[in-house]
Amino acid sequence: QVQLQESGPGLVKPSETLSLTCTVSGGSVSSDSYYWTWIRQPAGKGLEWIGYIYYSGSTNYNPSLKSRVTISVDTSKNQFSLKLTSVTAADTAVYYCVGDLIAAPVHDAFDIWGQGTMVTVSS
Amino acid sequence: EIVLTQSPATLSLSPGERATLSCRASQSVSGYLTWYQQKPGQAPRLLIYDASNRATGIPARFSGSGSGTDFTLTISSLEPEDFAVYYCHQRASWPPIFTFGPGTKVDI
Repeated sequence: QVQLQESGPGLVKPSETLSLTCTVSGGSVSSDSYYWTWIRQPAGKGLEWIGYIYYSGSTNYNPSLKSRVTISVDTSKNQFSLKLTSVTAADTAVYYCVGDLIAAPVHDAFDIWGQGTMVTVSS
Repeated sequence: EIVLTQSPATLSLSPGERATLSCRASQSVSGYLTWYQQKPGQAPRLLIYDASNRATGIPARFSGSGSGTDFTLTISSLEPEDFAVYYCHQRASWPPIFTFGPGTKVDI
């Protein structure tokens, strides 16, 4: 059973870079069955898709965040990572790493979720 | 960008009652609509994928239907553990841009 675990600082200063890592266990980040995805959720609000990376290295980002986001993968450590630059208080949220299942017969489903990690942007 | 609208925002029901939640897309998403359940302090959980397929381990009281722009999640008889927020999500475009609905809260 594939499990995901986020890690990274819980507090980031405004204008700095938010960096989070997701460790994949019980499966491989090199799997072609998943888009490895980041989703965030401000307190009391809805879900916002940030972007994903595929095993091939191809990425796709939310247009509203694209200029500030980089998602990368480290196959040697079975991890994928998120970097969000120039953060503001609006980036304060719970950040989830998620496995988006795209293997037939499933068209697309956020199938595996990490527990989430709270990141606060504050000086 | 495809916008998802969910209604009602809040649904107040009692255990044993039937819940009907709606998700409407601003343009057709074919059958590519997914439903999630989220309880306080927890990550969302996949319920229904591709409009009508229950995910592994999801009870039969949960069902999904619809295609095109109008979709429904039905909980046939509410159990106490079903009181939560439900989100719909779509990935119908290429390159994929994922969007979520604002959620429907089912409370007692």
